[in-house]
Amino acid sequence: DSGVTQTPKHLITATGQRVTLRCSPRSGDLSVYWYQQSLDQGLQFLIQYYNGEERAKGNILERFSAQQFPDLHSELNLSSLELGDSALYFCASSVDRGESPLHFGNGTRLTVT
Amino acid sequence: AQTVTQSQPEMSVQEAETVTLSCTYDTSESDYYLFWYKQPPSRQMILVIRQEAYKQQNATENRFSVNFQKAAKSFSLKISDSQLGDAAMYFCAYSFRGGAQKLVFGQGTRLTINP
Repeated sequence: DSGVTQTPKHLITATGQRVTLRCSPRSGDLSVYWYQQSLDQGLQFLIQYYNGEERAKGNILERFSAQQFPDLHSELNLSSLELGDSALYFCASSVDRGESPLHFGNGTRLTVT
Repeated sequence: AQTVTQSQPEMSVQEAETVTLSCTYDTSESDYYLFWYKQPPSRQMILVIRQEAYKQQNATENRFSVNFQKAAKSFSLKISDSQLGDAAMYFCAYSFRGGAQKLVFGQGTRLTINP
C-alpha cells in the first residue's frame, strides 16, 4: 500500500458530462501529481501541485482542471467528457517539489460511454 | 522533447531464471533520473528502481539491477531469480532533475513468468 488514496476506483459516465476525481496524498507529502494512462497515448503527465500551488503542467486539456486544497488533498475535474477521455487516472505524491520518488495510488478507471 | 523507447512489447522467462528488459531514451539534458516502474494486474504503479544520471554506479535493489550506459542512452533492467510475483507490465521512465517529476514513460514491456 503506497499510502496514496484515490476515489472512486471506477467511474462510468456519458459524453458531455463532468466528473471529479479525488486524491489524498501520503501523510507528510506536499506534492501531488496527476497522470493519465490510456491505450493510445500511454502514460502521460498532466499536472503537479506543490503545497497548494500549481507547479508544473503537462499535456492537460483545457477541459480538465485541478486544484490542491489546504489539507493537501487534490481534485481533478474533467468536463465536457469525450469517448477519448476514457482512461486510468493516477495520482501520485512526493514529499518535496521534485527530487524524491513518487508514490502512486491505485488509479481511478474512467469510462465514458 | 525527451522520449523513452521500450522495443520489447512482451518478454517471458522461466521461474528462477534471469531476464533483461531494454530501454533507450533521448534527451539533451545531462542531469536527470531514470526509473523502472512495475504495474501488476492490480494496476498500481510501483517503483522498482531509480538511477541518477550523475552517478556512474549502476543502481541495484535486491534481485533488480540496471545497466546504465549514459553515452549510449541505454537503461536496461535485469531481474535475477525471477519469481511468479514479478509478472507485470514494466515501464521505463525519465525525468529531468531540478524540476517537477514530469515522468516521460516508455510504452511498456509485458513480462510473463513461466512456472
